[in-house]
Amino acid sequence: DAKTTQPNSMESNEEEPVHLPCNHSTISGTDYIHWYRQLPSQGPEYVIHGLTSNVNNRMASLAIAEDRKSSTLILHRATLRDAAVYYCILSDVGNTGKLIFGQGTTLQVKP
Amino acid sequence: EAQVTQNPRYLITVTGKKLTVTCSQNMNHEYMSWYRQDPGLGLRQIYYSMNVEVTDKGDVPEGYKVSRKEKRNFPLILESPSPNQTSLYFCASSFRPNLAYEQYFGPGTRLTVT
Repeated sequence: DAKTTQPNSMESNEEEPVHLPCNHSTISGTDYIHWYRQLPSQGPEYVIHGLTSNVNNRMASLAIAEDRKSSTLILHRATLRDAAVYYCILSDVGNTGKLIFGQGTTLQVKP
Repeated sequence: EAQVTQNPRYLITVTGKKLTVTCSQNMNHEYMSWYRQDPGLGLRQIYYSMNVEVTDKGDVPEGYKVSRKEKRNFPLILESPSPNQTSLYFCASSFRPNLAYEQYFGPGTRLTVT
């Protein structure tokens, strides 16, 4: 399974944009890039995923580098509720459905 | 409301006393799985199920059993719990095992085995 590298922690101010980076230099052509987050005392929550093109949804945007060796999760206006651990995960379509969670990035949002 | 439910949410038990943690989803998902989360080790998959009557081992299956008799339910069974199974457990489901689909997680079950 390909590996991802994320910063251990990041800080943001409330109502400012947040860019959470993820490096995945060994990504294969069929790996999807997934982002999940885990709020304190809750189960992981899906945020967004993509394969090659940038993706937008109501929660966030996902910017994928042209060579796919890195990606960035963008929260357009951070709120206090966005304080969580964010996981960048790679997965191959057609495998066992297993998500391999690394240590993630702990995002702190300051009021 | 689409959701994955787990029961109980908290459980303290003693070594060797059989227990079952239930998991149920109301989204008609084919795929369900169990994870455990431990400090410093992250989330690790215990068992998964591709569909009714189809289950398989994940990365840490020792000491656990599962069954999938109905599509909506995927209970996790600890026949003889031991202290090293003290952990936070999450059930997850998705439409298909294909990871093009998002996975939904339950709220977690915190298990303590003394």
